[in-house]
Amino acid sequence: KQEVTQIPAALSVPEGENLVLNCSFTDSAIYNLQWFRQDPGKGLTSLLLIQSSQREQTSGRLNASLDKSSGRSTLYIAASQPGDSATYLCAVRTGANNLFFGTGTRLTVIP
Amino acid sequence: NAGVTQTPKFQVLKTGQSMTLQCAQDMNHNSMYWYRQDPGMGLRLIYYSASEGTTDKGEVPNGYNVSRLNKREFSLRLESAAPSQTSVYFCASSREAGPYSNQPQHFGDGTRLSIL
Repeated sequence: KQEVTQIPAALSVPEGENLVLNCSFTDSAIYNLQWFRQDPGKGLTSLLLIQSSQREQTSGRLNASLDKSSGRSTLYIAASQPGDSATYLCAVRTGANNLFFGTGTRLTVIP
Repeated sequence: NAGVTQTPKFQVLKTGQSMTLQCAQDMNHNSMYWYRQDPGMGLRLIYYSASEGTTDKGEVPNGYNVSRLNKREFSLRLESAAPSQTSVYFCASSREAGPYSNQPQHFGDGTRLSIL
């Protein structure tokens, strides 16, 4: 069974710092990988989706990379802002409709 | 701009009671999903509906039933609630399903369910 791990579980950084969130998965036979953001008491918001044939995707200050062979993905956030504070989740698609989620990294950006 | 709407937002049940969680999307998406989120665990798929008229089991379907009422609505039913079903339940939708889809899933804000 696919297992998705996100380390660290929590991260605090000062405003303006660039940061990297990590995601690893045990089975490299994936179709795609998604990064989500979850605010307290809210649902998930999709940030970036990388197909298995792609190496990276960018959206604004966010850049996600995928190394399928090593089972790793990173989410790079440039020039962090207090509004970036949230829990970030990664999920891999291994079948037609099954997403396997990590438990997330809770990010706090300190003003 | 509603997106995915879930009702109710909170519910407390007694063991053995039944209830139905409602989900509706206004994005004309074909596929809909139900997940549960528990502390220390990632979201886990309960059931999904790839298209109107079809439903399939996910990773943790035991104790649940679903109905894809029409293209917009996908409900989740607990027939006899158990304390182990205390969780936050999320409904999601996407334009299309399938492993090669590049369509992201859009999530509702969740239903927080406690079973005593």
